[in-house]
Amino acid sequence: AQKVTQAQTEISVVEKEDVTLDCVYETRDTTYYLFWYKQPPSGELVFLIRRNSFDEQNEISGRYSWNFQKSTSSFNFTITASQVVDSAVYFCALKGYSTLTFGKGTMLLVSP
Amino acid sequence: SAVISQKPSRDICQRGTSLTIQCQVDSQVTMMFWYRQQPGQSLTLIATANQGSEATYESGFVIDKFPISRPNLTFSTLTVSNMSPEDSSIYLCSAPEGDGGDAEAFFGQGTRLTVV
Repeated sequence: AQKVTQAQTEISVVEKEDVTLDCVYETRDTTYYLFWYKQPPSGELVFLIRRNSFDEQNEISGRYSWNFQKSTSSFNFTITASQVVDSAVYFCALKGYSTLTFGKGTMLLVSP
Repeated sequence: SAVISQKPSRDICQRGTSLTIQCQVDSQVTMMFWYRQQPGQSLTLIATANQGSEATYESGFVIDKFPISRPNLTFSTLTVSNMSPEDSSIYLCSAPEGDGGDAEAFFGQGTRLTVV
């Protein structure tokens, strides 16, 4: 069975701080995909990134960066110089040979 | 990326009634998925809707409570039947970009349902 653990329930930072959201996963599938989604208060789920299990290259997109470490089964997400608009719930998700499994989410609160 | 339109975006319903949620994808997809997100919780898969066959329900969800239709490759509906306050949730539909396992899962805007 697949499992995604986001141990941080809620994180509060002040604008311009860097923040890292942790994600640890479990799967027996040899091929799998990892995702991060953002859910702002409006409720929609916004796709941020997908990474497959064979690609351990870290990725940077603007203020966002992701660190995939297969050895520790982690796929962490860092926001640099956080902004108030980054306030949302962030979900890490895993897809192996079956359906998409979500973590419980981390609520990020960025105050001015 | 796929564009998924879901409606209604929100509704307030009386207990005992039913609500049908519609999901339209701008491209043909083999599978569509329906999720429930209870307040403050993560997303839980309700069922997988394949065109031309009955939906496959996850443990804890039954067809009588959540009937699903999938009349073609771009459309699906989820009905929440005989609603109770415990059904108050966000319901989201999802479709992969393609049929490959590496396809991103895109989501509709969600339907925020409140049952009173």
